Amino acid sequence: QKEVEQNSGPLSVPEGAIASLNCTYSDRGSQSFFWYRQYSGKSPELIMFIYSNGDKEDGRFTAQLNKASQYVSLLIRDSQPSDSATYLCAVQRYGNKLVFGAGTILRVKS
Amino acid sequence: ETGVTQSPTHLIKTRGQQVTLRCSSQSGHNTVSWYQQALGQGPQFIFQYYREEENGRGNFPPRFSGLQFPNYSSELNVNALELDDSALYLCASSFTSGGGDTQYFGPGTRLTVL
Repeated sequence: QKEVEQNSGPLSVPEGAIASLNCTYSDRGSQSFFWYRQYSGKSPELIMFIYSNGDKEDGRFTAQLNKASQYVSLLIRDSQPSDSATYLCAVQRYGNKLVFGAGTILRVKS
Repeated sequence: ETGVTQSPTHLIKTRGQQVTLRCSSQSGHNTVSWYQQALGQGPQFIFQYYREEENGRGNFPPRFSGLQFPNYSSELNVNALELDDSALYLCASSFTSGGGDTQYFGPGTRLTVL
């Protein structure tokens, strides 16, 4: 079992729709959870982080965490073609390494 | 832009050679982590440096080594290059305060081993 699992996609949504990206993790000791966006040929860019159970909103993005179910998700409202990228979920115990999933490819169709 | 810089941008080496990659951390950050990202995969943790000491290491052989300098910049050295070392090498900068550690990535170095 991989430590962090994501559906590889591609996930295709029409412009203006809500994109829902999901991630599960195996280490119950994980404390911090991150979503990065990576455009082709570029490095990962931090979108959001979440530490506590529940929802955290930042603009068009909402991260959701459920530690009991070991589940993290990212919702993107009003999806735009510029949101087309690979979305990486990462989990962390205090301070140290990030453990990444393989990423979900999102395609927003105009 | 994160303020994290890496050099060089691209590098081509042959099998058996040695390579040094460099990273300058974001102002105010004291920790540098290095990751290897193969095509189509998520980044894999190589090691982390905090206050010039190695502070955790992933499942990479000893021919991957590193340094952190007093100004918090860092180097990744890889000896005896193998074809499978071809990847995007990412440096991430953060401020370690005993709690969560939010890491910001530099642009990466694309290494090709022939």
